[in-house]
Amino acid sequence: QSALTQPRSVSGSPGQSVTISCTGTSSDVGDYNFVSWYQHHPGKAPKLLIYDVIKRPSGVPDRFSGSKSGNTASLTISGLQAEDEADYYCCSYAGSYTFWVFGGGTKLTVL
Amino acid sequence: QVQLQESGPGLVKPSQTLSLICTVSGGSISSGSYYWSWIRQPAGKGLEWIGRIYTSGSTNYNPSLKSRVTVSLDTSRNQFSLKLSSVTAADTAVYYCARGGGGNSLEFDYWGQGTLVTVSS
Repeated sequence: QSALTQPRSVSGSPGQSVTISCTGTSSDVGDYNFVSWYQHHPGKAPKLLIYDVIKRPSGVPDRFSGSKSGNTASLTISGLQAEDEADYYCCSYAGSYTFWVFGGGTKLTVL
Repeated sequence: QVQLQESGPGLVKPSQTLSLICTVSGGSISSGSYYWSWIRQPAGKGLEWIGRIYTSGSTNYNPSLKSRVTVSLDTSRNQFSLKLSSVTAADTAVYYCARGGGGNSLEFDYWGQGTLVTVSS
């Protein structure tokens, strides 16, 4: 069982928006603004989408956005495109003993 | 553009030591204040952070694996490596190397494609 809880799957039609949640505890997501999100197409290297809860690396479209409220972080993908179909993982810093925890991943299906 | 590539045996026998190497290209592994991490994903499960090493050689490990893990650095070859001892079937996973987990990059900004390691006799 992963430390952070994500829905197993979400789906949406092209052009729509979807939000993926990532629920942790007051010891990780709730305590630090070091939440990141990754997109993973099977067989490829995972790609960083969001870091520090809300920041986007250069080259990542602004269709991808992050937020956090309490112990839950969220990734919102707007204007869904077929190429967005992938697995998405959240990650949070969890202090200087555990360091980094990940979510179990969410499979996004573009209908 | 930094690139990472994992290499090592795809099959390891139970109780033996899993050994993987991550070769970094497109930049020096010892430049900048970066950490270099290992992360794994068992089939059908989420990602699990294994450990990290700083350019100074300082290491930190996942508490659940700490007794069995060693991460080391070879700056002359621009590589870092993972050793996981006393493996069992539960260690079967895709293993990724990544830049990040501290220093200038708390996030994991560059990843390898991953390599599947199966623990079986």
